[in-house]
Amino acid sequence: GQQVMQIPQYQHVQEGEDFTTYCNSSTTLSNIQWYKQRPGGHPVFLIQLVKSGEVKKQKRLTFQFGEAKKNSSLHITATQTTDVGTYFCAAPTSGTYKYIFGTGTRLKVLA
Amino acid sequence: DTAVSQTPKYLVTQMGNDKSIKCEQNLGHDTMYWYKQDSKKFLKIMFSYNNKELIINETVPNRFSPKSPDKAHLNLHINSLELGDSAVYFCASGKGRSNEKLFFGSGTQLSVL
Repeated sequence: GQQVMQIPQYQHVQEGEDFTTYCNSSTTLSNIQWYKQRPGGHPVFLIQLVKSGEVKKQKRLTFQFGEAKKNSSLHITATQTTDVGTYFCAAPTSGTYKYIFGTGTRLKVLA
Repeated sequence: DTAVSQTPKYLVTQMGNDKSIKCEQNLGHDTMYWYKQDSKKFLKIMFSYNNKELIINETVPNRFSPKSPDKAHLNLHINSLELGDSAVYFCASGKGRSNEKLFFGSGTQLSVL
């Protein structure tokens, strides 16, 4: 079945450093979503990418969808302590209501 | 008003007991989900209902039984609880199309002793 892997599983950075998490699917995706889960919280939708090669920015966050629509990345510039949490990509399975979540990347930011 | 609300937030119980978790959404969505998040933070889909009809049933022990009395509610009943059932259970809702985002409830932390 479809699998969605994320690397790294964990990342510790100093405040002000950049951070990137990568998401890889075993199949071609119709679109990809990114969610953030703060410690003790619930996943919250960040963004959706649909087109091949698409790049979207939200302040210090840059999201990219691969040309082959099988991978995606989230890059955070100059991390802040408020960026702490687990970042998930999610791949809605085409033609179904099923969302497969990636394995997640847990980010810790050291002040 | 909370969009997707779950109760209870915490549930501590003994092995062998039966327990229920309730979920309600006021977003007018047609589709609701149950996800299980284990200690490694992996989010696994368990069930999904669309307009009260079960449409996704992953490989989940039949001790878990979802029920949707109407499209705004999706409950999860668990029989004969086991230690391995300890996890955080999230309810979520969406419009039911593959390009629509999910809204999650705040989660129920289940601890089986």
